[in-house]
Amino acid sequence: DAGITQSPRYKITETGRQVTLMCHQTWSHSYMFWYRQDLGHGLRLIYYSAAADITDKGEVPDGYVVSRSKTENFPLTLESATRSQTSVYFCASSEFLANTGELFFGEGSRLTVL
Amino acid sequence: AQKVTQAQTEISVVEKEDVTLDCVYETRDTTYYLFWYKQPPSGELVFLIRRNSFDEQNEISGRYSWNFQKSTSSFNFTITASQVVDSAVYFCALSEARIGNQFYFGTGTSLTVIP
Repeated sequence: DAGITQSPRYKITETGRQVTLMCHQTWSHSYMFWYRQDLGHGLRLIYYSAAADITDKGEVPDGYVVSRSKTENFPLTLESATRSQTSVYFCASSEFLANTGELFFGEGSRLTVL
Repeated sequence: AQKVTQAQTEISVVEKEDVTLDCVYETRDTTYYLFWYKQPPSGELVFLIRRNSFDEQNEISGRYSWNFQKSTSSFNFTITASQVVDSAVYFCALSEARIGNQFYFGTGTSLTVIP
């Protein structure tokens, strides 16, 4: 089925390790986003991308790296994971300009950093 | 400053009661968009509604209704005759045309409908 998929859905890692969360969408949406969800903070934007090879920082980008070599993929990498990065991560995409269209979310990736 | 405020952290209602979830936003833009998303216990985020700043007409969809009032910068969400399946976390969000590409989410309201 078409849609937006994230992998892995669950990941446990240790402090200092590199972790990559994958995001793949089949709609050819131009815009893609990474959010983290934490209790008391709602959803906070980490990075977003307007098109292939175009990325920009969101509200909480520190400690994260993204790339977008293909329209359909938008991986998020934690180069050296910290406990504060324990969270649920959501990837999203949008067909129109981000300020007019709704976001379509993946199912989320729950990351635990020990 | 918080652009979207959902002051109600948790709400519990008994099934069949009506419940209103409050959302107050802050923006200087004249063109902006407001959204509601639902996050059921399974965790996915489900789009419910989008409203642009030029359309203050209230909307009703089944048991759901939305009251958009620019004068008070509010976009409240009412569930009529609540059901257990309505139990979820509900997020209000704002997107500003001038800045673009960013959605500002509130911290969410957790609704529990008690059978």
